[in-house]
This record gives sequence, C-alpha cells and structure tokens, in this order.
Amino acid sequence: DAGVTQSPTHLIKTRGQQVTLRCSPKSGHDTVSWYQQALGQGPQFIFQYYEEEERQRGNFPDRFSGHQFPNYSSELNVNALLLGDSALYLCASSLGRGLWAFFGQGTRLTVV
Amino acid sequence: ILNVEQSPQSLHVQEGDSTNFTCSFPSSNFYALHWYRWETAKSPEALFVMTLNGDEKKKGRISATLNTKEGYSYLYIKGSQPEDSATYLCALGGADGLTFGKGTHLIIQP
Repeated sequence: DAGVTQSPTHLIKTRGQQVTLRCSPKSGHDTVSWYQQALGQGPQFIFQYYEEEERQRGNFPDRFSGHQFPNYSSELNVNALLLGDSALYLCASSLGRGLWAFFGQGTRLTVV
Repeated sequence: ILNVEQSPQSLHVQEGDSTNFTCSFPSSNFYALHWYRWETAKSPEALFVMTLNGDEKKKGRISATLNTKEGYSYLYIKGSQPEDSATYLCALGGADGLTFGKGTHLIIQP
C-alpha cells in the first residue's frame, strides 16, 4: 500500500502564475481533503472532495479550486498566485466520513 | 470557529524521562479530537482519534486523555526515546474539516 502520494514535492512559481498540485489517496479511500500549512502555523483546511464534488470548504478565496477524478485522485489548483500562497500543501484521504485521515508528505510551494 | 491551542510550543526532554503536553479548546462543538505525530520529512501520522469525554487511548508508551467539559486533551509519553522526536499536532474534527493547533515540537536529548 503506497499510502497517500503527492506530486510534485517542491515547486517554485512566479506571482500571478497558476499551479496544479496532485494527490493520490490511500488505497480504498474515496475522500480527499487539502490543507495549507504556512510557516509557523498549523495546517489549515482548504476543502474536501467526495464523489467528485466539493463537500466542505474552509475560509479560502475562489482562487483555490479543486477537482476529484473517478479514481478518487484529486488536484488542487491555485490561480493568480500571491507571495502569501507560499506554503506546504498537504493532502489527506479517508473513507467516507471516517474519523481517520491519512496524510501525504506534502508539496512545498514557493511563490517568488 | 474552532480554536485549538497547544502548549508548550517546544519541549526538550532527556532520553528516558516521561513528558506530557496539552491541547486546549474553548468549545466542544466538534465530533472528534485527533493527535498526529509529524517527523521531519515525513507525513503526519495519526496516533489517536478520541470521541468521548473521559476517553483514554494508549499505543505503546504513548497515551492520551480527553476532557471535553473542561476543554483539554493531554498527550503523555513514557520513557522518551530519540525516535519520539517530532512535532505533535492536535486537531478537532468538525464541519470545516480538521482544525489544527500549531503543534508541540518535542526534542529528545540523549
């Protein structure tokens, strides 16, 4: 079992650009959540996808969007990047509304 | 809005000593409290999920308690080992996914 995998591991983008991060959930999981961890902070909930639809959303602007595919993998898209979007982006998977969430190692995004 | 506070922010403990740290929350408007261990360059690892007031969990030398009435959870590590060095995150599960504290950074000194 490969667990939750995220790609890429590191990424550098320029202000104003767009970025796509990818996540493959743990085998058997159908729910994917995305979190942003800024320096010195705990992870913050961005949104959750289930059955290819956004089920819950945290306090993030519309520049943050996502998608879930039929194989349950997911993408996080961020448009019009700002310097403040520099952070570690974590993906977590779970089974339905199950209590246990398993995390990937994250994608480190740097916006310059 | 859930608010999660963790203390201390960092902790240095001698190998073999026992230690504990705190997760506090003013509101009990959540369905579960989660503890994660996050080692450098690895994924956060789920340690415990606690759902009931008075719940206690144990996994080897690590245990946790939950008191929803008074708004805190303790994580205990007995006989600390170098492999226990990590950041320990507490999170509340609610309507807005998991709400995390900033974590306690634990360093075990040989």
